[in-house]
Amino acid sequence: DGGITQSPKYLFRKEGQNVTLSCEQNLNHDAMYWYRQDPGQGLRLIYYSQIVNDFQKGDIAEGYSVSREKKESFPLTVTSAQKNPTAFYLCASKTQGAATDTQYFGPGTRLTVL
Amino acid sequence: GQSLEQPSEVTAVEGAIVQINCTYQTSGFYGLSWYQQHDGGAPTFLSYNALDGLEETGRFSSFLSRSDSYGYLLLQELQMKDSASYFCAVRPPGANNLFFGTGTRLTVIP
Repeated sequence: DGGITQSPKYLFRKEGQNVTLSCEQNLNHDAMYWYRQDPGQGLRLIYYSQIVNDFQKGDIAEGYSVSREKKESFPLTVTSAQKNPTAFYLCASKTQGAATDTQYFGPGTRLTVL
Repeated sequence: GQSLEQPSEVTAVEGAIVQINCTYQTSGFYGLSWYQQHDGGAPTFLSYNALDGLEETGRFSSFLSRSDSYGYLLLQELQMKDSASYFCAVRPPGANNLFFGTGTRLTVIP
């Protein structure tokens, strides 16, 4: 089955540590996205990538980094510079040139900083 | 910049009809999308309006009026499983990403 996978589902981190969240898709989508969701709030864009080896900052990129070495993979690193990283992180992908703006989301990773 | 405002909470009775509004302030966009998200789950695509008017997909319909800077999602024959959060979203001009609204938590009661 085609889809997007994120791992791990739950992640605990000590303050001052970097942590990397995995996102893999086998939908052959060109564009991939990372969002952050805080309780009771909407989705805020962290980074997105439209093509391999290229990515752009979203609205809240500070304290985060990404890479896009393969079309299928778009890992997100939460660095120690991110002051309040506890949140629900969602990865999404989209095919280019689609008639709609449909994004397909992974199941998410819930990150808690201890 | 963009601003998409939605009511934070709506409660409706099973079997009824409910409308979730999305008012926006934006310099322009390609289309208005709607997503559903159950607690702890991933958002899933519901509907998309590229043009003004009504789009119907089963029990769900979505409406857009660019002249009124307004859209809504209409859910008919509400079921308990429709209890979830609903988000409107737009793609800004020249961009390939979505900007999401604040979200509306719908609670369906018996």
